[in-house]
This record gives sequence, C-alpha cells and structure tokens, in this order.
Amino acid sequence: DAKTTQPPSMDCAEGRAANLPCNHSTISGNEYVYWYRQIHSQGPQYIIHGLKNNETNEMASLIITEDRKSSTLILPHATLRDTAVYYCIVRVNNNNAGNMLTFGGGTRLMVKP
Amino acid sequence: NAGVTQTPKFRILKIGQSMTLQCAQDMNHNYMYWYRQDPGMGLKLIYYSVGAGITDKGEVPNGYNVSRSTTEDFPLRLELAAPSQTSVYFCASSYSSGDTEAFFGQGTRLTVV
Repeated sequence: DAKTTQPPSMDCAEGRAANLPCNHSTISGNEYVYWYRQIHSQGPQYIIHGLKNNETNEMASLIITEDRKSSTLILPHATLRDTAVYYCIVRVNNNNAGNMLTFGGGTRLMVKP
Repeated sequence: NAGVTQTPKFRILKIGQSMTLQCAQDMNHNYMYWYRQDPGMGLKLIYYSVGAGITDKGEVPNGYNVSRSTTEDFPLRLELAAPSQTSVYFCASSYSSGDTEAFFGQGTRLTVV
C-alpha cells in the first residue's frame, strides 16, 4: 500500500472549516483514500473514503486532486468534539490478504473555542 | 447491534504471565484484525483473519497468538508477557471485501510490570 504524509498537528477555530491535507504521491490506480479519526482513548472511527471523485457525507467532504497524488479532508463547521487525530490511509480494496489498514502518525487536530 | 466488543478494558500483568484479550463482533463480518497502539504512535497490525479457521500475521506478530474458531470471536493470546507489550490493543472487523469501512472496538489498555 502507498504511504501517506500528513502534517503532525493543526489548529482550527470552532465553527470554521478544518482542512486536513494528505500527500500520497505513490498511490496506485486501484488504491482508495480512506480517512479515519481517533478521539482520545477511543477506537478509530471511519469518516469517509474515495477513489478519484470528490465525496461528501454527513461528517465530512473529501477532495482528491485530479492526479490523485494528494487529498484534503474538510470538516465544514468544526466543533470541539472534532478534536482528534485524523489518519489518511490508502489501500487496495478486494485485497486477498484482507482489508488491512496501515496507520501512519496522522494529524492531531485541535479545535479551539 | 453492539458492534465490536473488547474485554477487559484494562489489565495489569506481571512479566511472564499470560492472558487472552477477547474480541467479539455481531455484524457477521468475515474479516477481523488486532492492532496495538503505543503512546503517541499510530496503530500497528498484529494479526488478522479473513474468516473462521484462517489467520495470518501482520506487521508485529511476535509474542502473540490468535485463533478464529467462529465468525464472531477473535481472541488474542499473550503467552509470556513482557514490558514491551505494554500498549493499547484494538480489535476491528469489516465486511469481506469491497470498498468498506472497518469498525473498531474501544480498546484494551494493558500494562506489563
């Protein structure tokens, strides 16, 4: 699976949009981009994923560049409860070895009042 | 549905003791995983299973064993606990294949002294 690069930490004001970047310059054509987050002391929680089109759900939006070498997770109106570590992961689906997720260091997002 | 349930939540072991971390899921998922997370780090895959009776090693399997006798349960066994195994352990499950999300338990915090 391709490796990802994320900034170690970011701050965001409450109510503003949080834009979390991720570089995955070696991504392959059949690899998806996944985002998970981990609120302190809890298990990781799925947020969103995509292949090449932009995606939106009730939690966030995912913007993937046309060359697929980078992506941005957008939390449109960040709240204090969005303070967490956000992980960007790329992986192949339908992998015979299992749908394993490889976690890097992630971005620690601090939402401030 | 309870999702992914891990027991115990906390445990202190003495060096050389053994224990089994329990994981159960009620979503009829074929794929199950065990991760460990050291302080300030991302999750590392210990073992995974793609179905009952089938297990395989992940990135950091040494010192651990698993079994998968049923679809629902995926216990992780520590035979001779060592201080290096002090960590938070997360169990996860997912559907068989495709672009699906993984569901994580709330973790077991293990301290070996």
